[in-house]
Amino acid sequence: QKEVEQNSGPLSVPEGAIASLNCTYSDRGSQSFFWYRQYSGKSPELIMFIYSNGDKEDGRFTAQLNKASQYVSLLIRDSQPSDSATYLCAVNPGNQFYFGTGTSLTVIP
Amino acid sequence: GAVVSQHPSRVICKSGTSVKIECRSLDFQATTMFWYRQFPKKSLMLMATSNEGSKATYEQGVEKDKFLINHASLTLSTLTVTSAHPEDSSFYICSADGTHQETQYFGPGTRLLVL
Repeated sequence: QKEVEQNSGPLSVPEGAIASLNCTYSDRGSQSFFWYRQYSGKSPELIMFIYSNGDKEDGRFTAQLNKASQYVSLLIRDSQPSDSATYLCAVNPGNQFYFGTGTSLTVIP
Repeated sequence: GAVVSQHPSRVICKSGTSVKIECRSLDFQATTMFWYRQFPKKSLMLMATSNEGSKATYEQGVEKDKFLINHASLTLSTLTVTSAHPEDSSFYICSADGTHQETQYFGPGTRLLVL
């Protein structure tokens, strides 16, 4: 079983819609969770991190964490074509980062 | 804040030569740096974890004698690909551990092409 699992997609949403990206993890002791965005040919950039159960909002992005169910999600409101990228979920159980394989998102104008 | 740079951004070399890639944390000190490689349309693959002043910890299947890592200071780690071969051509990305947030910040990556 992989440490972090994501649906590889591709996920396509129309411009202005909400994009929902999901991630599950296996280590129940994980404490910190991250979402990165990676454009084609570029390195990942940090979008958000979340430590506590519930929602965390930053602009158009909302991270949701449910430790009991071991999932973390990212919602992108009012999706824009510039949001088209691969989104990587990362989990830190305390000693190492584990990255998912990423979900490819395409926002259609 | 939390800016990580890499140099060079792109390098082309002949088979058999060695290539050194530098990773610097510009505005913070990083006790831990990580080296990844990524093939086209594939996920990140962790190669090694580098701690300042100590030997790097390599992931299974990564040859430590081929990928030499030196973490000489809290702001600089280097990866040397020794005797590079065409199959070493890849996108190499470093990241640094932002200790105040337990977050990894990535450098812009180095694209290596071995002819």
